[in-house]
Amino acid sequence: DAGVTQSPTHLIKTRGQQVTLRCSPKSGHDTVSWYQQALGQGPQFIFQYYEEEERQRGNFPDRFSGHQFPNYSSELNVNALLLGDSALYLCASSLGGFGNIQYFGAGTRLSVL
Amino acid sequence: GIQVEQSPPDLILQEGANSTLRCNFSDSVNNLQWFHQNPWGQLINLFYIPSGTKQNGRLSATTVATERYSLLYISSSQTTDSGVYFCAVEPTGRGSTLGRLYFGRGTQLTVWP
Repeated sequence: DAGVTQSPTHLIKTRGQQVTLRCSPKSGHDTVSWYQQALGQGPQFIFQYYEEEERQRGNFPDRFSGHQFPNYSSELNVNALLLGDSALYLCASSLGGFGNIQYFGAGTRLSVL
Repeated sequence: GIQVEQSPPDLILQEGANSTLRCNFSDSVNNLQWFHQNPWGQLINLFYIPSGTKQNGRLSATTVATERYSLLYISSSQTTDSGVYFCAVEPTGRGSTLGRLYFGRGTQLTVWP
């Protein structure tokens, strides 16, 4: 049983570019959440997708957008990259409703130069 | 939003020692999870424990929901226990926060041989 998988593992971009990160949830899970972890900090919630819709959103600008596909996989898109977007981006999957355990992928480390 | 405070921020132990990590939170919760983040960034699930006590080998955890704290115990520590330990909670009762995990700043544990 595959866990949560993310791609790519590492990514280097320059300011102003756009980036797409991908996540496949754990088998049987239908909910995907994205988190940003800056160096030395705990992860911060970006948004959550359920039934192909954004269900919850954290305090992130509209440059951060996402999508969930019918197979429950998800993408995180960041436009007009800033140096401050450099971070580890983590995807978590869970089943259905609130209060359920979330499982995390290994993350994508994004560096913006 | 809910506040999550972890203590101590740093902990240095010799192999074989025992330790207790604490997580205080400011509101009632649906979900509380303890994670170990390895050097490559992956968040490893240790416990899903919104209330009660659980044990898994040398690790155990207790959450006292009515008093809004959780404790993670590590016994007979090993060098492989080194890393950052995070507590994360999902608050109850408010639509805008359901399903999202709020993380503490973590405890950096270093175990020396």
